[in-house]
Amino acid sequence: GESVGLHLPTLSVQEGDNSIINCAYSNSASDYFIWYKQESGKGPQFIIDIRSNMDKRQGQRVTVLLNKTVKHLSLQIAATQPGDSAVYFCAENTGGGFKTIFGAGTRLFVKA
Amino acid sequence: DAGVTQSPTHLIKTRGQQVTLRCSPISGHKSVSWYQQVLGQGPQFIFQYYEKEERGRGNFPDRFSARQFPNYSSELNVNALLLGDSALYLCASSLGQHGELFFGEGSRLTVL
Repeated sequence: GESVGLHLPTLSVQEGDNSIINCAYSNSASDYFIWYKQESGKGPQFIIDIRSNMDKRQGQRVTVLLNKTVKHLSLQIAATQPGDSAVYFCAENTGGGFKTIFGAGTRLFVKA
Repeated sequence: DAGVTQSPTHLIKTRGQQVTLRCSPISGHKSVSWYQQVLGQGPQFIFQYYEKEERGRGNFPDRFSARQFPNYSSELNVNALLLGDSALYLCASSLGQHGELFFGEGSRLTVL
């Protein structure tokens, strides 16, 4: 069946360090993957996306890597800042695109 | 520009009651999706509407229903409320049927 999961429920990093959040997916037919950030009391906010015909995509301080061989997705945050503290969700867009499946989330704590 | 707006932001109901939640998408967006987010979990897909038609439905009972109006706003209705329906209900809009979701801040429903 379809599922998107996360390897670690919480991640604690020192301010200024790089963060890596991992995600596994099971639907090999998925062709679009997204990372969302959710701060307390707010709805999820788009960070970055990647299509299955790519292995890597970079944004501002963030990089998403996609390994289709092992069905693994990761989000790298460079020079992590206190404002990065939030829950991060990977999400998978199923074939047809009408349903986005979210994982359980990883809570990122940034220590000053 | 205004983002996705949802109302009410908080509400308390008792078991067996009915609730209607409202969502206004970003201007120009024709797709609205509804998600349920239980505390500590990722958002779970309920419905997607595109061009006023239901395009997808998640694994939710028939007590859950929705519709999209000609102005692309949407309502989510839940009948015969159960304690387990207590959650944050998120609405997201997108330009088309696929792609990046823009979330509102949600409606927090508590069922007593």
